[in-house]
Amino acid sequence: AQSVTQLDSHVSVSEGTPVLLRCNYSSSYSPSLFWYVQHPNKGLQLLLKYTSAATLVKGINGFEAEFKKSETSFHLTKPSAHMSDAAEYFCVVVGGGFKTIFGAGTRLFVKA
Amino acid sequence: DVKVTQSSRYLVKRTGEKVFLECVQDMDHENMFWYRQDPGLGLRLIYFSYDVKMKEKGDIPEGYSVSREKKERFSLILESASTNQTSMYLCASSLGGGFAKNIQYFGAGTRLSVL
Repeated sequence: AQSVTQLDSHVSVSEGTPVLLRCNYSSSYSPSLFWYVQHPNKGLQLLLKYTSAATLVKGINGFEAEFKKSETSFHLTKPSAHMSDAAEYFCVVVGGGFKTIFGAGTRLFVKA
Repeated sequence: DVKVTQSSRYLVKRTGEKVFLECVQDMDHENMFWYRQDPGLGLRLIYFSYDVKMKEKGDIPEGYSVSREKKERFSLILESASTNQTSMYLCASSLGGGFAKNIQYFGAGTRLSVL
């Protein structure tokens, strides 16, 4: 069975400070893991993906995520938040077949 | 550039109406998906299709059907719309094959209100 848990429904940071969005997963298979971002009134856009290569994955717009098998985590980070990062972020696990599980989402607020 | 187009951004329908949501992709992708997005629930898969005329149920298929007559087009059908189907509907497509190719490209969504 697969599941994904985003530990925070909302995260608020000040512009220029680090961002941490937390994601834990479970999977019976060796999973592929993704982070997607959704800006208001837009579709989802891929930020980054992990597919069993390097455990530290770099994505677009300065985001990165680290796959930690021992902790079953795939947290998303960015060293310095920008106002344009305000959006909703989804952690996704893909396991067997087409089974794609989305987390409930974390809404990121960035304060000036 | 990758493009997934959903025919309507906003739709208002009445209870009991038959509703068609259309999605077209221009990337020659084998896989297409329909999700609904509700606050606090993330995205939930309704149906997907891995080839023309092929379909598989997702997690919440009840009250929905789909049609894929051409590779580029995937339609979601609400046979008799109900108020609990008021939601944001997202279409996505991806290449076929294994997990590593399952990057999904999303349309902008259709916000459906059923009154």
